[in-house]
Amino acid sequence: AQTVTQSQPEMSVQEAETVTLSCTYDTSENNYYLFWYKQPPSRQMILVIRQEAYKQQNATENRFSVNFQKAAKSFSLKISDSQLGDTAMYFCAFMEAYGQNFVFGPGTRLSVLP
Amino acid sequence: EAGVTQFPSHSVIEKGQTVTLRCDPISGHDNLYWYRRVMGKEIKFLLHFVKESKQDESGMPNNRFLAERTGGTYSTLKVQPAELEDSGVYFCASSQQGLVDTQYFGPGTRLTVL
Repeated sequence: AQTVTQSQPEMSVQEAETVTLSCTYDTSENNYYLFWYKQPPSRQMILVIRQEAYKQQNATENRFSVNFQKAAKSFSLKISDSQLGDTAMYFCAFMEAYGQNFVFGPGTRLSVLP
Repeated sequence: EAGVTQFPSHSVIEKGQTVTLRCDPISGHDNLYWYRRVMGKEIKFLLHFVKESKQDESGMPNNRFLAERTGGTYSTLKVQPAELEDSGVYFCASSQQGLVDTQYFGPGTRLTVL
């Protein structure tokens, strides 16, 4: 069974600085998808960024980018120019290529400090 | 377009009581999912509906949990009788047919069993 690990339960970063959230996963599959979801306080979870395992190029969405290391089974999220609105729980998630549901990590609580 | 909605946002019940959670998916989304996050742990998959049929209920913890999706629109998740370990946040998500990797999440229902 696949597992997803996020080794940082909590992190903080100063506004405008850069922060990297770690995620590792375990799978025997070759084709799969990886995701970062964000859940702001008292709000619903939204997709931040996704990566297809067959793509070597790291995904980027504005200030959010990933460092996908397939051999190492690592999928870290970098947030550049952190903003107060980035304060949230961040969940790393895995889905098999022909799967139907996510496997989530335990989450990292990120606080952006003014 | 309205997002995924869940009701209630919070529920506090005593052990042994019954609680019913409701999820309204995005209109037209055939796929509906239930997930649960027990405090401090990872979000775990419970089950997946395709229209009114249960596609996968492998994550349902035991027979105290009953999910329905009559008519293929909204879904309910009943817990009867509730136990202390059922406390957590219950998330619902929906996706379009054929796009299981693009799931839209609701805000969750926080269930507390005393």
